[in-house]
Amino acid sequence: GAVVSQHPSRVICKSGTSVKIECRSLDFQATTMFWYRQFPKQSLMLMATSNEGSKATYEQGVEKDKFLINHASLTLSTLTVTSAHPEDSSFYICSATRGGAVTDTQYFGPGTRLTVL
Amino acid sequence: AQSVAQPEDQVNVAEGNPLTVKCTYSVSGNPYLFWYVQYPNRGLQFLLKYITGDNLVKGSYGFEAEFNKSQTSFHLKKPSALVSDSALYFCAVRDSYGSSNTGKLIFGQGTTLQVKP
Repeated sequence: GAVVSQHPSRVICKSGTSVKIECRSLDFQATTMFWYRQFPKQSLMLMATSNEGSKATYEQGVEKDKFLINHASLTLSTLTVTSAHPEDSSFYICSATRGGAVTDTQYFGPGTRLTVL
Repeated sequence: AQSVAQPEDQVNVAEGNPLTVKCTYSVSGNPYLFWYVQYPNRGLQFLLKYITGDNLVKGSYGFEAEFNKSQTSFHLKKPSALVSDSALYFCAVRDSYGSSNTGKLIFGQGTTLQVKP
């Protein structure tokens, strides 16, 4: 299989604090991981693409200093929402691909629900 | 520019009847097309993909999709719907064109499938 996990599944934090979300590929090595944001009843918005050992590539309009991405190993990527505010409340989903080919399937994690009070 | 359109926000079908969820795309090069399903508060599950070859692609849970190049469509189908198929369905595309291709998926806006007993 191709299983991707995320932790935590749900987090509630106070405004101004930072939150870290982990994304792990459990049974394969992920060359590339992607981070998405999804608002209720809407499609997924790609935030950034990360490759192991290199800096993430952020989509236009996504603040690099706000959403810190680290892809330290072939099985782990983390997204840190710094100084979170209520408008950062959302459903964050990661995905991972085994290889670097454009035909590779992205396998998605179960998502993390962030609520900022 | 790549784009995907899912013209129906919601599709309603009776259990046991065939279902179709529509998707059209626009790309510069060869399209790589994907279907995913999302259950409430969950990540996306991969159903099937078209890369090349046979226009009829078979996937998970009895779903299939037909690639039609002349109509630039990739509709998702199932011969007999189940109540448990009720979920949010996303069509996505990757473009083969250009050296800057990072494997990004472009998602449609999603179609809610409601299967009634």
